[in-house]
Amino acid sequence: EVQLVESGGGLVQPGRSMKLSCAASGFTFSDYYMAWVRQAPKKGLEWVASISYEGSSTYYGDSVKGRFTISRDNAKSTLYLQMNSLRSEDTATYYCARPRFATGIPIFDYWGQGVMVTVSS
Amino acid sequence: DIQMTQSPASLSASLGETVSIECLASEDIYSNLAWYQQKPGKSPQLLIYYASSLQDGVPSRFSGSESGTQYSLEINSLQPEDEGDYFCQQSYKFPLTFGSGTKLEIK
Repeated sequence: EVQLVESGGGLVQPGRSMKLSCAASGFTFSDYYMAWVRQAPKKGLEWVASISYEGSSTYYGDSVKGRFTISRDNAKSTLYLQMNSLRSEDTATYYCARPRFATGIPIFDYWGQGVMVTVSS
Repeated sequence: DIQMTQSPASLSASLGETVSIECLASEDIYSNLAWYQQKPGKSPQLLIYYASSLQDGVPSRFSGSESGTQYSLEINSLQPEDEGDYFCQQSYKFPLTFGSGTKLEIK
């Protein structure tokens, strides 16, 4: 059974950093691109970042480019999101998501339960 | 960036009715359109991909179609469990973009 379990969220002050993790199981992690998608309270979904199989290629949404870094450790089957210079508008539930296809097409059929990040002083 | 304009923002329908949700892409996305359902407090679930392919385990009352850059999700014979939020997403190119969502209420 595919499982994605996020951790590392919580309350953080504006301007500070936080690192999220997503532990994957039930599939060969290195065979899939992976992604982070977020959802601000009572708002819609916003794609944050994606990463290729070995991590050589990364892609970011405009709102986080230059501040967030997506990475992965295939030996640990874990996806990360390093978030720097956090702003109040980064407050959201962050989901780890796996594409349906191992080809990398970003259609997501498995999602974690989400982890809440609150940026506030 | 590709803009996805989703409508309506909300709708209310009765059990057994048929509803349709639309997404208009700002440019051609060549059928690279997915639909998700999200229930309160839950993670999104994939319903439809490549505009009209039904995800495994999704009831056949859900269907997707396209006409040019306009994409539609149709739900037939509405059931109570269909209540929730629906989002479209273009998977054609980065940055990936979602529609703003449709809140479906079952009367």
